Amino acid sequence: DAKTTQPNSMESNEEEPVHLPCNHSTISGTDYIHWYRQLPSQGPEYVIHGLTSNVNNRMASLAIAEDRKSSTLILHRATLRDAAVYYCILRDVGNDMRFGAGTRLTVKP
Amino acid sequence: EAGVAQSPRYKIIEKRQSVAFWCNPISGHATLYWYQQILGQGPKLLIQFQNNGVVDDSQLPKDRFSAERLKGVDSTLKIQPAKLEDSAVYLCASSFHTSGPNEQFFGPGTRLTVL
Repeated sequence: DAKTTQPNSMESNEEEPVHLPCNHSTISGTDYIHWYRQLPSQGPEYVIHGLTSNVNNRMASLAIAEDRKSSTLILHRATLRDAAVYYCILRDVGNDMRFGAGTRLTVKP
Repeated sequence: EAGVAQSPRYKIIEKRQSVAFWCNPISGHATLYWYQQILGQGPKLLIQFQNNGVVDDSQLPKDRFSAERLKGVDSTLKIQPAKLEDSAVYLCASSFHTSGPNEQFFGPGTRLTVL
């Protein structure tokens, strides 16, 4: 399975943008890049996914490098409610999701 | 739309006892997943159902864990007998499809403590 590498933790100030990096140098051509997050004492929730092009939704933006070996989840204005563990996951069509340890995001007021 | 329901939310048992967890997925979702999440780690897939058939149970410790999904809706996960290392949060998730980059919806989980 293609693996991802994320920093263990990051900090951000409230109301500022946050860029969460993910390296996936062994990504295959059919792997989708998924991001989920897990708030304290809750199950993970879907954030965004993409294949080759950058993606935007109401929660975040996903910037994918041209060679697809890395991606960045962008939260445009962090709030205290965005404090969570963020998981970057590669998933081929029909395959299961393999979670890593993720990045723990702390948002300071 | 109601989310994925799980019960109980918390369970404390002694080692060698048995325990069962229940999951009710989102209505209409054909695919159901059980994950185990040990403290400080990401969730690990235990078993995946498509309707009431097993798609993937390669990471399920079958000597003590079992799961079923009767009638393709609700599911139960059982541990018999429990070990100390089974202490974890057990998460149930569902999705509309199995294939494609489909979104998985997770329940709140059941936190199991084995003493």
